[in-house]
Amino acid sequence: QSALTQPASVSGSPGQSITISCTGTSGDVGGYSDVSWYQQHPGKAPKLIIYDVDSRPSGVSNRFSGSKSGNTASLTISGLRSDDEADYYCNSYRTSDTLVFGGGTKVTVL
Amino acid sequence: QVQLAESGGGVVQPGRSLRLSCASSGFTFSQYALHWVRQAPGKGLDWVAGISYDGSIKYYADSVRGRFTISRDNSKKSLSLQMNSLRPDDTAKYYCARDESGYRSSRWDYWGQGTLLTVSA
Repeated sequence: QSALTQPASVSGSPGQSITISCTGTSGDVGGYSDVSWYQQHPGKAPKLIIYDVDSRPSGVSNRFSGSKSGNTASLTISGLRSDDEADYYCNSYRTSDTLVFGGGTKVTVL
Repeated sequence: QVQLAESGGGVVQPGRSLRLSCASSGFTFSQYALHWVRQAPGKGLDWVAGISYDGSIKYYADSVRGRFTISRDNSKKSLSLQMNSLRPDDTAKYYCARDESGYRSSRWDYWGQGTLLTVSA
């Protein structure tokens, strides 16, 4: 089971916007609306920040937004802050009743 | 409040077995699907297995199918992962996570803090 493809790292200055891509196939990201994003700070459990491609759980900042085009989902963080520095993972349903994560993206705030 | 707490990790030799548990509190356990997710040291998240709200449907990653078995006891509000034929590449922190749906989705709103499994001779 190959993971979804994410860039290893993305960086930006405070206040800027950054976008993280998550590329799969028609058998996962492209074929279903069941795509989520997780934020993980070092030593902590992951936290759900986006589900169903572009929905935000209650309590998650509206600086986080999601979208999808074809086989690629994207997470955009606007108004970048120092506490956004973390690892980010996409997750998607995949055909044959499995789920798959992306390899993860380390976000650095310069 | 919703809480999930994993236990059962430790050091085990290759080829041996181990059972992980996840105790829950603060929500109606029997209404939610659950998953096991692992993270090898310094690596990314890796979905392992999932189970529907009533235990009737189970899902496995190819890497563990046939070796691991996920189960739940709704009367005890607990989730388990029986791991057989363990390999060094099973070494990881294992998390349990609550799925907001009753069957299967990628929307996991609560996670435990994880339990560490090391497979080594």
